[in-house]
Amino acid sequence: AQKVTQAQTEISVVEKEDVTLDCVYETRDTTYYLFWYKQPPSGELVFLIRRNSFDEQNEISGRYSWNFQKSTSSFNFTITASQVVDSAVYFCALSEGYGNKLVFGAGTILRVKS
Amino acid sequence: DAMVIQNPRYQVTQFGKPVTLSCSQTLNHNVMYWYQQKSSQAPKLLFHYYDKDFNNEADTPDNFQSRRPNTSFCFLDIRSPGLGDTAMYLCATSTRDSQETQYFGPGTRLLVL
Repeated sequence: AQKVTQAQTEISVVEKEDVTLDCVYETRDTTYYLFWYKQPPSGELVFLIRRNSFDEQNEISGRYSWNFQKSTSSFNFTITASQVVDSAVYFCALSEGYGNKLVFGAGTILRVKS
Repeated sequence: DAMVIQNPRYQVTQFGKPVTLSCSQTLNHNVMYWYQQKSSQAPKLLFHYYDKDFNNEADTPDNFQSRRPNTSFCFLDIRSPGLGDTAMYLCATSTRDSQETQYFGPGTRLLVL
């Protein structure tokens, strides 16, 4: 069965600090997709990144970076120089392919204080 | 801009009074999903359409129904809402060309009194 674990329920940082959100997943499939979504207070889930199981390259997009390690079944998300606008709930999710449901982790609440 | 639109954004209904939530998309995606997200919880899939094929999750209550009259529109009908159905309802779409990424609408916050 698929499972996504986000062990950090809530993280508080001061603006400009770096912060890493952890995500550990379980799946029996060899082909799967991992995602990070951001949910600000407005409620909309905003897509941040997708990784497929064959692509272990880390990715950097501005202040955001992602570290995918199949050996530890982890897909961690780092925000560099955090800003107040980064305050949101962040969800890690797993899908086993086209038309399949997203299995979400419980989410991590990130609070960035000025 | 291509997008997923949900109406209404906020809905208040009375216990037992049927309610319909709508979702439309301009992305021309052939898969549409409905998720329920209760307060401080992760979204949970209710059902999805793969083109016209309806796929219900095993634990979705019978009280929840869906219609997809065409590619662009999908509706969530709650026949007799209970207090426990108070939640955010999120619509999402995907297509093979989007490489499995699901794009979400802004959600409808439903309050059952």
